[in-house]
Amino acid sequence: GAVVSQHPSRVICKSGTSVKIECRSLDFQATTMFWYRQFPKQSLMLMATSNEGSKATYEQGVEKDKFLINHASLTLSTLTVTSAHPEDSSFYICSALNPDRGWGPQHFGDGTRLSIL
Amino acid sequence: AQKVTQAQTEISVVEKEDVTLDCVYETRDTTYYLFWYKQPPSGELVFLIRRNSFDEQNEISGRYSWNFQKSTSSFNFTITASQVVDSAVYFCALSDLYNQGGKLIFGQGTELSVKP
Repeated sequence: GAVVSQHPSRVICKSGTSVKIECRSLDFQATTMFWYRQFPKQSLMLMATSNEGSKATYEQGVEKDKFLINHASLTLSTLTVTSAHPEDSSFYICSALNPDRGWGPQHFGDGTRLSIL
Repeated sequence: AQKVTQAQTEISVVEKEDVTLDCVYETRDTTYYLFWYKQPPSGELVFLIRRNSFDEQNEISGRYSWNFQKSTSSFNFTITASQVVDSAVYFCALSDLYNQGGKLIFGQGTELSVKP
């Protein structure tokens, strides 16, 4: 079964709305989670690294104030797209590292398809 | 800088044909991991394989096989006797846990279409 749960799977909302996406590790404590974005027909690009109890580390070119990341517990990271606009429409997917598995593969959520009208 | 290149954007084959998806990577790190993921039309990422930089043994899993060659910085993926259900986008990815915290650098992806 899934070890990382991402919710919601799809969001359609009006321009200017803020949207929160949740990423939960279900059977392990994830000190590190990652947020990726994928535009249609393109690859996955890392947006930020979410660390439990500390500030997220953003990749170059990603606006911190627009994409708020909160990793308040060992099993939950949230990505909030603030004042979303049509250009933010994309597929957002999170992943989590299981520290007990060392170099084990990252577990991915099923992704969130965000459409801003 | 780390980089993953999948030169084949799209591949189309007929069912039962063998197909190889190419992956070339760049890294200055000596310790790293390589991955292949499958992304069906529904969007989720399905983990296929992980290979560390110290293990150059080729691997076979059913109809899937992987050829890792450090000398050419390649990690190619072959599907034998392809099936329609293999149609998806396949991503090769590189990760360095110690220096980069485990984040994945993805290639551009190869869209495989298997026709009946």
